[in-house]
This record gives sequence, structure tokens and C-alpha cells, in this order.
Amino acid sequence: EAQVTQNPRYLITVTGKKLTVTCSQNMNHEYMSWYRQDPGLGLRQIYYSMNVEVTDKGDVPEGYKVSRKEKRNFPLILESPSPNQTSLYFCASSPPLGTSGRYRTDTQYFGPGTRLTVL
Amino acid sequence: AQTVTQSQPEMSVQEAETVTLSCTYDTSENNYYLFWYKQPPSRQMILVIRQEAYKQQNATENRFSVNFQKAAKSFSLKISDSQLGDTAMYFCAFMKHYGGSQGNLIFGKGTKLSVKP
Repeated sequence: EAQVTQNPRYLITVTGKKLTVTCSQNMNHEYMSWYRQDPGLGLRQIYYSMNVEVTDKGDVPEGYKVSRKEKRNFPLILESPSPNQTSLYFCASSPPLGTSGRYRTDTQYFGPGTRLTVL
Repeated sequence: AQTVTQSQPEMSVQEAETVTLSCTYDTSENNYYLFWYKQPPSRQMILVIRQEAYKQQNATENRFSVNFQKAAKSFSLKISDSQLGDTAMYFCAFMKHYGGSQGNLIFGKGTKLSVKP
């Protein structure tokens, strides 16, 4: 089954304790992305990756790191979590679109979400 | 910068009736994509429908259809024959066709839809 998986699904931690949320997709997608969802704000992009070893900041990257060493995996790293990073996190992936030579993503497919609470 | 506005925080509809969710957006881009995503209580983000801005024909997916008005920058979602399983938060989203940050989905704040039996 084609899917995006995230682990853990739920996590409660304390301020300053490093954590990693994993994301994996089995669709051979090149584009992967992380979003956070907060009440009344919709979803906002944290980081994205257009391919292996190619990552860039989204709209709210502060306090987060990512890596893309393999095509299927795109972990989100919080080096020193703080309470304002309590949120629902989504990983998404997308196939490329078009053959014009200019890379473009198509529809993004989301993982099930990770509920993170930082005390 | 692009913005997406959903002016209806909550809506309700009777089962089997039709409901329309509104979405407006602001952009200087000429080519882009628009999406509606559904988020049921399970919190999974599920794609409902996708529209390419250069296509004049409105997208349809079974009971779901859109009214895309490019000049007015409006992208409403119509759900026909509403079912209890349609109860969810619905998000409108915008994505550029080309250029920097092309894959960044810009989301509205959502409309919570309740379908009543």
C-alpha cells in the first residue's frame, strides 16, 4: 500500500530533550515536506526537500532541523524542544510533475500526523 | 506573498442536502494549483479535489465539485448529497506552479463542517 508513515504518533517530552520524528514514504517521491498545525492557524510549512541532500526552509523553520540522506526518509529533529513547539506535525510527499526540466511538485500526500507535547 | 482565506469557521448541513464552503485567495501568480483537503476526527489529511488554474473547467470528484472563479480569486467547494462521513474540518490550499518554494502549500484556517442526521 502506497503511504507516508510517521513515528511516533504521540509524544510527550520535556523542554530541552532532543527528539526526532521520523517520516518515511514508499512511493519513490522526490519531494518531501514537514508542516505543523496549530489551532486557528491551519498548516504551515517548516522545511522541505526536493531530493536527497537538498533541503530548504519553509515558513516556520526556527527550532527545527531536517536531513535527507535517503529518498524515502525525511526526519524532523528538534534539538532543544520548547513548549511553543507543542503542535500536530505532518509529513507529506509528492511526485514530480511535468517533463519540462523545471522541477515542480504535484499533489502532496500526508502522513497520519504526530501529536507532540513539550512540557 | 500568497494568502488563503476561509471566512466560515463553522457550518452545518442536514444529511442528503447540499452545502458550499467558501475560499478566497490572494496571489500575483498566473499559474497555480488549488486544493481542498478534508481532516476528519482521525486528523488524517485527505485530498478531496484539485484544480489547476489554467484549466477553465471546474474540477469534480463524485459528490464534490468546485466553483473556480479566477478573476475573483474564489474557489468554493460544493458537497452534494451530504453524508455523515463528510463531517470534518475542510482546508483550502494554494500552491504555486513554478518558482521558489513551489511545493509550499499555503493553507486557510479551515471550516468545520458538521453533517446532521
